[in-house]
Amino acid sequence: GAVVSQHPSRVICKSGTSVKIECRSLDFQATTMFWYRQFPKQSLMLMATSNEGSKATYEQGVEKDKFLINHASLTLSTLTVTSAHPEDSSFYICSARAGTGIYEQYFGPGTRLTVT
Amino acid sequence: GDSVTQMEGPVTLSEEAFLTINCTYTATGYPSLFWYVQYPGEGLQLLLKATKADDKGSNKGFEATYRKETTSFHLEKGSVQVSDSAVYFCALSEGGSEKLVFGKGTKLTVNP
Repeated sequence: GAVVSQHPSRVICKSGTSVKIECRSLDFQATTMFWYRQFPKQSLMLMATSNEGSKATYEQGVEKDKFLINHASLTLSTLTVTSAHPEDSSFYICSARAGTGIYEQYFGPGTRLTVT
Repeated sequence: GDSVTQMEGPVTLSEEAFLTINCTYTATGYPSLFWYVQYPGEGLQLLLKATKADDKGSNKGFEATYRKETTSFHLEKGSVQVSDSAVYFCALSEGGSEKLVFGKGTKLTVNP
């Protein structure tokens, strides 16, 4: 089946620094990628949707200048958390879609971000 | 807005026990409903889905029936195995939208 990887799986950074998370579709081309955030004991919340070669569409309440998303190729999307603060500590999950159906959305294993 | 509520975990069962994980939803229209499973260290995988009322989704011995009258999509399995230990997420998608709305997830542990 389709595989999506994320790197790193865990990252610890200091407050005020930026951190980049990569999401790769390993065996298919992803026209659309999604970024989710999950707090402990909470639902996955969609942050943004990105299509290859165009700007990401952010959900209401998500700061686009803080969470920079780049979908530069059909197999790679990156999420950069800029000027990270402890409240940005969370579990970030990406998914990638090859076709147009929602059933073809494949998820990465997630990245645990801790900001100290 | 749309929302999904699923039973709080964790759920611990013995092998061959019957499993039910409750899921109810709130939506303005007629959503499609999904169950996703996340095994340790892996990404979420689509387990089963139902797109209209009274549809039954099934896969790997798991079943869920789309109940419009009770706005529910409960996950069931007659006899769980240790390998079913995972986190299960109920989700909906409204009217063909690509966006998924998830529940909080229920962690299932099956002991031998």
